[in-house]
Amino acid sequence: DAGVIQSPRHEVTEMGQEVTLRCKPISGHDYLFWYRQTMMRGLELLIYFNNNVPIDDSGMPEDRFSAKMPNASFSTLKIQPSEPRDSAVYFCASSLLGQGHGYTFGSGTRLTVV
Amino acid sequence: GQQLNQSPQSMFIQEGEDVSMNCTSSSIFNTWLWYKQDPGEGPVLLIALYKAGELTSNGRLTAQFGITRKDSFLNISASIPSDVGIYFCAGQTYTGTASKLTFGTGTRLQVTL
Repeated sequence: DAGVIQSPRHEVTEMGQEVTLRCKPISGHDYLFWYRQTMMRGLELLIYFNNNVPIDDSGMPEDRFSAKMPNASFSTLKIQPSEPRDSAVYFCASSLLGQGHGYTFGSGTRLTVV
Repeated sequence: GQQLNQSPQSMFIQEGEDVSMNCTSSSIFNTWLWYKQDPGEGPVLLIALYKAGELTSNGRLTAQFGITRKDSFLNISASIPSDVGIYFCAGQTYTGTASKLTFGTGTRLQVTL
């Protein structure tokens, strides 16, 4: 299994532009999570899906952030319009339902908004 | 969102030394997990603990699930340079229909030769 695949690895964009981050979870995993990591706030859960349905989006910071999971093998996190304070590393992770199943993380997308 | 309190925040040790770090929470968790994050990568699962009081080893790593279910400890014996990274604890709650991890604030480990 190739693991959780995220793209792009790095993204540099200008303030006000739309940014789309992509994730392919591990085949068969029924949970998908989007996290944001910064030095100040550590790992923050933004949103998670179960069987492609958003379950908890309370971590999404603002309406500028949106996430979709159109099928079991693909998810996107979109920021529109982007702002410098959105600069962070964004991780996608997937998991199986059940106690003790830890998450498998992707390698992350490092976003820089200038 | 909620985060677990992890200590120490950072450690600078010499190669060969043992390392201890811990994680505490005001909430009870069903499962405790420990992750390591290398620079430029996502966190990778090291050890999972499923029962209060459980002690589990993985090579030079040993972790324990606290009796109160509100804390966990990770020890690394005879540290080596590749142990450098950030170590995160995570508590998992599971209600049968939902599974959610809460992460600690991380312990940054530096190993000097």
